[in-house]
Amino acid sequence: SQQGEEDPQALSIQEGENATMNCSYKTSINNLQWYRQNSGRGLVHLILIRSNEREKHSGRLRVTLDTSKKSSSLLITASRAADTASYFCATELPVQNAGNMLTFGGGTRLMVKP
Amino acid sequence: DTGVSQNPRHKITKRGQNVTFRCDPISEHNRLYWYRQTLGQGPEFLTYFQNEAQLEKSRLLSDRFSAERPKGSFSTLEIQRTEQGDSAMYLCASSPTVRAGLAGWSEQFFGPGTRLTVL
Repeated sequence: SQQGEEDPQALSIQEGENATMNCSYKTSINNLQWYRQNSGRGLVHLILIRSNEREKHSGRLRVTLDTSKKSSSLLITASRAADTASYFCATELPVQNAGNMLTFGGGTRLMVKP
Repeated sequence: DTGVSQNPRHKITKRGQNVTFRCDPISEHNRLYWYRQTLGQGPEFLTYFQNEAQLEKSRLLSDRFSAERPKGSFSTLEIQRTEQGDSAMYLCASSPTVRAGLAGWSEQFFGPGTRLTVL
């Protein structure tokens, strides 16, 4: 079973609106990362937030992490049609000998309409 | 292009055939990962190399799956006696070794993937 679960599974908004995606996970983590995947392509790293951080910003992206609730959110402000993609949260677990193995959720499919 | 590359990009095979995929990581990255992604799902971790050593392989899906990284550079993933359920996207990723004092900084760089279709 997957460690993280994203909510909603699909989101459709108009260009210029904000998009918020949520991720919940089950066990203690080293960090949580968000990736984007365009249809049929590889994943692109967006942002990493460590377990001792609560909020992080990168351009139009804002990520929050609540370790007490085992949840994270990704906010994309002023969305653009080019933001249309699937967004995945991934957790890195403190597992010996597994390097920084990532466990992904099922993703949120975002569509931004022009 | 100095990113992670994977070949082939697409592979169609008949059930029962063996297939092999190649991954070339970013040259200075010591760590290499294989993931499988089925339609509508997130990637699922398969195995991991630190240089040429395969440090985690218990999550390979069955004994039909094997991976190598003989010289600590490129890696291959082989699936023997393919089944229709093996149809998926196989993703490779690499990352640098985390230096002491930088725990928790561990972005992975993904290749474009190899899409396998088993008929």
